[in-house]
Amino acid sequence: AQSVTQLGSHVSVSEGALVLLRCNYSSSVPPYLFWYVQYPNQGLQLLLKYTSAATLVKGINGFEAEFKKSETSFHLTKPSAHMSDAAEYFCAVRGAGGTSYGKLTFGQGTILTVHP
Amino acid sequence: GAGVSQSPSNKVTEKGKDVELRCDPISGHTALYWYRQRLGQGLEFLIYFQGNSAPDKSGLPSDRFSAERTGESVSTLTIQRTQQEDSAVYLCAITNGTSGLHEQFFGPGTRLTVL
Repeated sequence: AQSVTQLGSHVSVSEGALVLLRCNYSSSVPPYLFWYVQYPNQGLQLLLKYTSAATLVKGINGFEAEFKKSETSFHLTKPSAHMSDAAEYFCAVRGAGGTSYGKLTFGQGTILTVHP
Repeated sequence: GAGVSQSPSNKVTEKGKDVELRCDPISGHTALYWYRQRLGQGLEFLIYFQGNSAPDKSGLPSDRFSAERTGESVSTLTIQRTQQEDSAVYLCAITNGTSGLHEQFFGPGTRLTVL
């Protein structure tokens, strides 16, 4: 079984400020972890993924995330927010094996608002 | 999304009617998934197809939901006797030979509204 919890359904930051979106997971098998972004009226786009290589993963648009097994976390960060980062962000987990293989389990999503 | 189109983009129907949602994936994909996104919620897995294996239907919420895939191309998700609780965005996703199962490419979705 696997699950994802995103802390904070809404996060608001000022342009230029640090972005931190929190994600905690549970998985009965070693996880693969993903962050997706959904811009208004657009489909989901992959930001970055962790697939058991380096624990610090860099993605598109300056985002990165760190896999911390001891904390079962995969928080998404960006040092300096840009207005164009305003979107909804989803954390997702997929089991590396077992019956959950291939299926993504998503968190509830976090809406990021960036103020000028 | 890269290589996935869905139709219709919007569908409004009356309670009790059947609806059919279509996913047209790029050729050569390795697996195809259906998810549902209800308002204010994350995506829920519904079903997935991979090769000639039996589809994993474990996420279908009731027997009113079914899905088929024609060969390794078009997939249709059918909802019979729709209920208001079925209102959601239905998303199709694929994996391809390059990404393996590590990345799913999502279509734009079909927004279903049941009145």
